[in-house]
Amino acid sequence: QQQVKQSPQSLIVQKGGISIINCAYENTAFDYFPWYQQFPGKGPALLIAIRPDVSEKKEGRFTISFNKSAKQFSLHIMDSQPGDSATYFCAAYGRDSNYQLIWGAGTKLIIKP
Amino acid sequence: DTEVTQTPKHLVMGMTNKKSLKCEQHMGHRAMYWYKQKAKKPPELMFVYSYEKLSINESVPSRFSPECPNSSLLNLHLHALQPEDSALYLCASSQVTYQDTQYFGPGTRLTVL
Repeated sequence: QQQVKQSPQSLIVQKGGISIINCAYENTAFDYFPWYQQFPGKGPALLIAIRPDVSEKKEGRFTISFNKSAKQFSLHIMDSQPGDSATYFCAAYGRDSNYQLIWGAGTKLIIKP
Repeated sequence: DTEVTQTPKHLVMGMTNKKSLKCEQHMGHRAMYWYKQKAKKPPELMFVYSYEKLSINESVPSRFSPECPNSSLLNLHLHALQPEDSALYLCASSQVTYQDTQYFGPGTRLTVL
């Protein structure tokens, strides 16, 4: 119940295209859903986050879509750029996960010029 | 400023050595974390300090010993490590509770020979 399932494992998108990464969860007590971006040799950096009372959040080219009934959320990167090439992790928090971020397995995104 | 700093960036040590990793933040955060990250995997939580007190120890072997000298500093003392402990060690901090965003440092790349 504490799992977050992330797909795909890897993704190749042409420059200018839309990159879409999906996550699904089971625990309905989760109430905070961040996405982290990690470049090789660096720590994860918070990209965007959403709470379940909102169905969509947009920051620049990055959008989170949230479907509470389906227990799914996704990251959309519009006009993908080579600089977006990184590993993306979805995660979830809840009352009963204490301090723990429950992480997805990660998606390695490559944007081809 | 949302910066978490970690030193050293790289560390190579033998199995009989004693070394320490250091982490610092000046955001006034009262929760600090140590994570271990293996290649192509999400970070794994090791320890959580809340108000300078150890609140979570995720069954980490005693060869890893955390210390929180004050609210801005976090150390991880290493002794008698094994080659399988080679990984990226990440420090993070957040304001207080699990609902607060965790900010990660760049990590220390540890190699145990």
